[in-house]
Amino acid sequence: GAGVSQTPSNKVTEKGKYVELRCDPISGHTALYWYRQSLGQGPEFLIYFQGTGAADDSGLPNDRFFAVRPEGSVSTLKIQRTERGDSAVYLCASSLVSGSAEAFFGQGTRLTVV
Amino acid sequence: SQKIEQNSEALNIQEGKTATLTCNYTNYSPAYLQWYRQDPGRGPVFLLLIRENEKEKRKERLKVTFDTTLKQSLFHITASQPADSATYLCALPMGSNYQLIWGAGTKLIIKP
Repeated sequence: GAGVSQTPSNKVTEKGKYVELRCDPISGHTALYWYRQSLGQGPEFLIYFQGTGAADDSGLPNDRFFAVRPEGSVSTLKIQRTERGDSAVYLCASSLVSGSAEAFFGQGTRLTVV
Repeated sequence: SQKIEQNSEALNIQEGKTATLTCNYTNYSPAYLQWYRQDPGRGPVFLLLIRENEKEKRKERLKVTFDTTLKQSLFHITASQPADSATYLCALPMGSNYQLIWGAGTKLIIKP
């Protein structure tokens, strides 16, 4: 596709359930970032991939959060034992290379934990 | 720790006037700074990047300044239009992998 695609666009889940959020970056972009955005706030960094490896996962809030990018393209953010505090918009961005490159964002997945 | 501040209150501007948004940062010396636009229900869209050795950058009706002494960037939209209404966020690179840290954004409303 022409842009970064995230699915689903909306996800409602019950507290304690497991969820997976998918990001399909722009073809050829090696750098991929996950951010989380709460209402009225700027995005908050979660994890960065360069190729297949997680180069920096320092933003993941705890071990319930995990992300993979097995083939260096599509990435999945996984959240175990969801809590109401996990409710937010999860944004994925990709860029051609890491560094001072323009980041292209998807429309986000709005996660609501009830 | 690094901190980025943007005006939290919405900025109301009359159509045709210049809108000026402010981004201040502390405890930090970024190599560059980026400005993004975000519409409701959408992800941020990149607008401009300005490097630490650049005082000013322009793109069509947009102008960004970067004062590393004041630790401040100003974002200007000249001849503003209602279609410019959105939230504008500034972002700075952090760490060796250039992940961005963000301000909370300023909501801009251009009234016809």
